[in-house]
Amino acid sequence: EAGVVQSPRYKIIEKKQPVAFWCNPISGHNTLYWYRQNLGQGPELLIRYENEEAVDDSQLPKDRFSAERLKGVDSTLKIQPAELGDSAVYLCASSDLAGGSYNEQFFGPGTRLTVL
Amino acid sequence: DQQVKQNSPSLSVQEGRISILNCDYTNSMFDYFLWYKKYPAEGPTFLISISSIKDKNEDGRFTVFLNKSAKHLSLHIVPSQPGDSAVYFCAARALGGDMRFGAGTRLTVKP
Repeated sequence: EAGVVQSPRYKIIEKKQPVAFWCNPISGHNTLYWYRQNLGQGPELLIRYENEEAVDDSQLPKDRFSAERLKGVDSTLKIQPAELGDSAVYLCASSDLAGGSYNEQFFGPGTRLTVL
Repeated sequence: DQQVKQNSPSLSVQEGRISILNCDYTNSMFDYFLWYKKYPAEGPTFLISISSIKDKNEDGRFTVFLNKSAKHLSLHIVPSQPGDSAVYFCAARALGGDMRFGAGTRLTVKP
């Protein structure tokens, strides 16, 4: 079974440029998560989707970040414009249940973003 | 507000010895705890978990201990192997809540 797929794996951009990350979750997983991991820290949740609905986006900086999960499968996370402080690894994860369930989250390899 | 803390950024042990990784939390609503393992250039992978109704969970060489009164959990790896060298993240969640991660501990197991 294929795991969570993310692309690109690495991205280098100049500040003020836009950037987008793509995630394909494990087949059948209805819950999708985007995390940001800063250097030397653990992952921090940005947004959680249940199917196509964003059920928790309280930590998403909405002035420059946006996300979508059309048709409840693949998801895209966008930053526009990027700032130096956005340099981090962006992780996508999926699980087959959320809310009252403690089902395991499966992580993709992440996209390492460097903003110059 | 760091609700999950791993105060040791790194740990080095000899192959065959026990590795003990520690984690503290502040939120008393957390009732499920997990350990994830991360190799370079890969995403975290689930290792072992424990519910707050238990104080110990064992899976092969890995054992997690939970002390609710102290809001402390630990991961024991015995015997440690060079392939265990990785960053270990402690995570916790409350029912219906999001998972909170610690900053990680880098374990190095020397041959």
